[in-house]
Amino acid sequence: KAGVTQTPRYLIKTRGQQVTLSCSPISGHRSVSWYQQTPGQGLQFLFEYFSETQRNKGNFPGRFSGRQFSNSRSEMNVSTLELGDSALYLCASSTRPGRDYNEQFFGPGTRLTVL
Amino acid sequence: AQTVTQSQPEMSVQEAETVTLSCTYDTSENNYYLFWYKQPPSRQMILVIRQEAYKQQNATENRFSVNFQKAAKSFSLKISDSQLGDTAMYFCAFMRVLNTGNQFYFGTGTSLTVIP
Repeated sequence: KAGVTQTPRYLIKTRGQQVTLSCSPISGHRSVSWYQQTPGQGLQFLFEYFSETQRNKGNFPGRFSGRQFSNSRSEMNVSTLELGDSALYLCASSTRPGRDYNEQFFGPGTRLTVL
Repeated sequence: AQTVTQSQPEMSVQEAETVTLSCTYDTSENNYYLFWYKQPPSRQMILVIRQEAYKQQNATENRFSVNFQKAAKSFSLKISDSQLGDTAMYFCAFMRVLNTGNQFYFGTGTSLTVIP
């Protein structure tokens, strides 16, 4: 079974631009979560989607948004990029959210550099 | 608020030796999970081990084991017989169980180098 895939793997943008990142979960997985990874902050939760609905959201400004499609693929958008948005953006998929544990499987990430 | 603290940014260990990575967390929740994830250089993050908060017995996965002290809110990872392939960034994570889904909180990571 193919793992979680993220595209593109690397991206360079300038301040003020917007960017869209894509995540394809493992086949059969319907929950997708996004994280921002920076050296000083570790991983910070952005949001989680299930059945095309945002279920949980972390503490990020409204410039960060996302969506999920009917095939469970998810996109994350960042508008008006700032230098501090430079990070590795990780996507993780699981079978479903719920009141018990479902293992998350991570993708390789998209390395975003904002100049 | 939930927080996860890893106080050791970098550690090293000789091959075949044992090393312990520290993690503390803060929560008022009673139902949660704890994890250690491994992120090798330029490779994907993978789950090393998990611990359910309601279980008193410490989790073990081959050479990896945890010391879970619920009252002290401590969750350390012990790697026995360290191998070169253990070189990676290790993240401690806390998962909060919500009606709307699960929410993860990660520490800032410990970079472990296994020295030949």
